[in-house]
Amino acid sequence: DTAVSQTPKYLVTQMGNDKSIKCEQNLGHDTMYWYKQDSKKFLKIMFSYNNKELIINETVPNRFSPKSPDKAHLNLHINSLELGDSAVYFCASSQEGGPRYFGPGTRLLVL
Amino acid sequence: AQSVTQLGSHVSVSEGALVLLRCNYSSSVPPYLFWYVQYPNQGLQLLLKYTSAATLVKGINGFEAEFKKSETSFHLTKPSAHMSDAAEYFCAVSDGNAGNMLTFGGGTRLMVKP
Repeated sequence: DTAVSQTPKYLVTQMGNDKSIKCEQNLGHDTMYWYKQDSKKFLKIMFSYNNKELIINETVPNRFSPKSPDKAHLNLHINSLELGDSAVYFCASSQEGGPRYFGPGTRLLVL
Repeated sequence: AQSVTQLGSHVSVSEGALVLLRCNYSSSVPPYLFWYVQYPNQGLQLLLKYTSAATLVKGINGFEAEFKKSETSFHLTKPSAHMSDAAEYFCAVSDGNAGNMLTFGGGTRLMVKP
């Protein structure tokens, strides 16, 4: 069984659109994350979330918002997409001490 | 504030040779340190992590890393490279707060020649 899954795997959309990426983990972990990897492979934390607290990287535009319907899911919603949002977005989870399992990534291309 | 520097964006070794990937960090608090591997078109996989216990940390796939506070380093090594080790490797440091907010280095692409 896949530990951390993301959908969709690929997402191609126009500037200005709103889109969501879904993430689910079946590990029972308390903490989930979203990371952005740019075209140069640079990884940046966007959000860290558990059932107690949301930690936001202050450099992330407020067009990005995490939504967690339950402990096993942390979806990423993006409003008014821009060209610079094109990247690979990774979801991850852990019980403690930093992200342990990463999802396969969602490749977002904004045209 | 924390930062991570990985020396060498590309490292090439022959199969069977020693693998050494360098990582230096900067942190204002005692750090947690991590190494991840990313195979093409896949997500990251945790190789090993240092959380203030033993300074020599053993990970998966025969990798290990040694925390050296005096050198602010956490280099990754493997005695004998295998073709399947070819991938991108990332070093990361946390703020010590349960390692939730990691700062990653720029990555090192390891190439293994037959």
